[in-house]
Amino acid sequence: EAGVAQSPRYKIIEKRQSVAFWCNPISGHATLYWYQQILGQGPKLLIQFQNNGVVDDSQLPKDRFSAERLKGVDSTLKIQPAKLEDSAVYLCASSSLTSGGRYEQYFGPGTRLTVT
Amino acid sequence: AQSVTQPDIHITVSEGASLELRCNYSYGATPYLFWYVQSPGQGLQLLLKYFSGDTLVQGIKGFEAEFKRSQSSFNLRKPSVHWSDAAEYFCAVGARSGGSNYKLTFGKGTLLTVNP
Repeated sequence: EAGVAQSPRYKIIEKRQSVAFWCNPISGHATLYWYQQILGQGPKLLIQFQNNGVVDDSQLPKDRFSAERLKGVDSTLKIQPAKLEDSAVYLCASSSLTSGGRYEQYFGPGTRLTVT
Repeated sequence: AQSVTQPDIHITVSEGASLELRCNYSYGATPYLFWYVQSPGQGLQLLLKYFSGDTLVQGIKGFEAEFKRSQSSFNLRKPSVHWSDAAEYFCAVGARSGGSNYKLTFGKGTLLTVNP
């Protein structure tokens, strides 16, 4: 079974530029999560999708961050314009909706963003 | 709101020694608790989880954790550490995020260094 795929793995941009990250969850997983992990901290949930609907985006800085999952499969997270404090690893995770699986999230390798 | 505290930022142990990583949580309902491990440049891998039942749970790679409701703790243990266990360890608590969905709140992590 293929895991969660993310691209790119690394990205360096200047502040005020825009950037997009892509995630393809495990096949059949209805729920998809985007996390931000700043150096020295644990992952923080940015947005959670169930199929193509948003479940929770309470911690997403909506003035600059956006995310979509149009067909309920893969997802894109965008930052526009980027700030220095957006430098972090962006992790994507997915989980199924089965009674036991909904509690177990599988993580991708992450995209390391550096904003200069 | 739920929260997780990992009091130890960095722990160093010798190979073959025992290990205990501390985790305290705050959550109003019955918690779902998790330990994840993150190796450099990698995503998070689930070590073990607690939902209910036996308070001592076994995980992968020889790890175990004990849920103590009275102390709001979920400490991770391993009787004999291997050099390959060097990584960052995250404790997380699961909480409802909408409908039948759940989201994870992570602690800040404990970095484990293993000396030969």
